[in-house]
Amino acid sequence: GQQLNQSPQSMFIQEGEDVSMNCTSSSIFNTWLWYKQDPGEGPVLLIALYKAGELTSNGRLTAQFGITRKDSFLNISASIPSDVGIYFCAGHLNTGNQFYFGTGTSLTVIP
Amino acid sequence: NAGVMQNPRHLVRRRGQEARLRCSPMKGHSHVYWYRQLPEEGLKFMVYLQKENIIDESGMPKERFSAEFPKEGPSILRIQQVVRGDSAAYFCASSPHAGETQYFGPGTRLLVL
Repeated sequence: GQQLNQSPQSMFIQEGEDVSMNCTSSSIFNTWLWYKQDPGEGPVLLIALYKAGELTSNGRLTAQFGITRKDSFLNISASIPSDVGIYFCAGHLNTGNQFYFGTGTSLTVIP
Repeated sequence: NAGVMQNPRHLVRRRGQEARLRCSPMKGHSHVYWYRQLPEEGLKFMVYLQKENIIDESGMPKERFSAEFPKEGPSILRIQQVVRGDSAAYFCASSPHAGETQYFGPGTRLLVL
């Protein structure tokens, strides 16, 4: 199956700091999604990207669809304690039915 | 507009028993996907179904696991003769059309004793 490399694996940051994480693939994707998962819950969609170069914001979150279509980035500005959780990227190829998920970035925000 | 519903949220089974997990997609969504998540790991695709059809089951073990999405009612993921290694969180997602954004349910946490 497709491999999505998500980094960093985990982050420990101070409240108020900005956060950056990214997802890379060896294949070209036509859709990138970013999800957040809280403990004991299902993933919640944060941002969906459909076009190379697209930059989309959702509050303090900003995500970009890389120009090469092989990567995507998620930034969180001015982090707050409720940003704690695991962030997953997911990509969809031009062919096939699956979304492929990254291994997740675990974010801890220290008040 | 209710989101994706899954039940039960928690399921405990003894080895050898059957587990039946149910998923009701969002209203208007006819595409359902099942994923498995082990602790500290990402989501692994299992199966993709459209009403009454299995479209892609490439991620589902060949034995003991089956899935259906009947014309009426929820999608069912069935695990027969469960073993301890089946313990995991099972998530269902739905989308209005193939390849479109998937919305996840809260998951069913299966524990096999």
